Amino acid sequence: AQSVTQLGSHVSVSEGALVLLRCNYSSSVPPYLFWYVQYPNQGLQLLLKYTTGATLVKGINGFEAEFKKSETSFHLTKPSAHMSDAAEYFCAVEKPGSARQLTFGSGTQLTVLP
Amino acid sequence: EAGVAQSPRYKIIEKRQSVAFWCNPISGHATLYWYQQILGQGPKLLIQFQNNGVVDDSQLPKDRFSAERLKGVDSTLKIQPAKLEDSAVYLCASSPQANTEAFFGQGTRLTVV
Repeated sequence: AQSVTQLGSHVSVSEGALVLLRCNYSSSVPPYLFWYVQYPNQGLQLLLKYTTGATLVKGINGFEAEFKKSETSFHLTKPSAHMSDAAEYFCAVEKPGSARQLTFGSGTQLTVLP
Repeated sequence: EAGVAQSPRYKIIEKRQSVAFWCNPISGHATLYWYQQILGQGPKLLIQFQNNGVVDDSQLPKDRFSAERLKGVDSTLKIQPAKLEDSAVYLCASSPQANTEAFFGQGTRLTVV
């Protein structure tokens, strides 16, 4: 079975500072990995995804993530935080052979301080 | 392009009552998902439809939850009877086909008192 662990349920950064949100996964086969963002009272929006190929994936709003098989990690980064980045972020893994059936982590709430 | 529409946005019911949620996916999307998101947790898949057929409902508590997508378009999720632990946001998502990006609606926030 797949699982996702997001380290840190709350992360605070100053505006302009590096954003690093951690995600580790467990999967018996090479997984597909996703990061979603959820703004208050909104649905989930896809930030980026890794399926195959290049392990460094670039997404929307300046975010990127790197798939590291040896570390079973898929951490999300952004060089410079903006106030509008404040939201909850979810890492997810796709069940192999499923049709985009996602297993989500518990989420990380990002606060950006002025 | 209109997004995934869900209604109602909010619902408060007493335990043991029944409730139904409605989802209208993006036009032409064959795959539809219902997720349950309990406060402080990530979304959990309840059921997946491909057109009007069920692909996976292994995590749907079938003793009280039911879902249908009769004409392969709109879908309803029903809880009968509701329990306190059913308080959550119920998210609907759709995708053009099974292995493409899923688009999420804003969700229905259910509070059971």
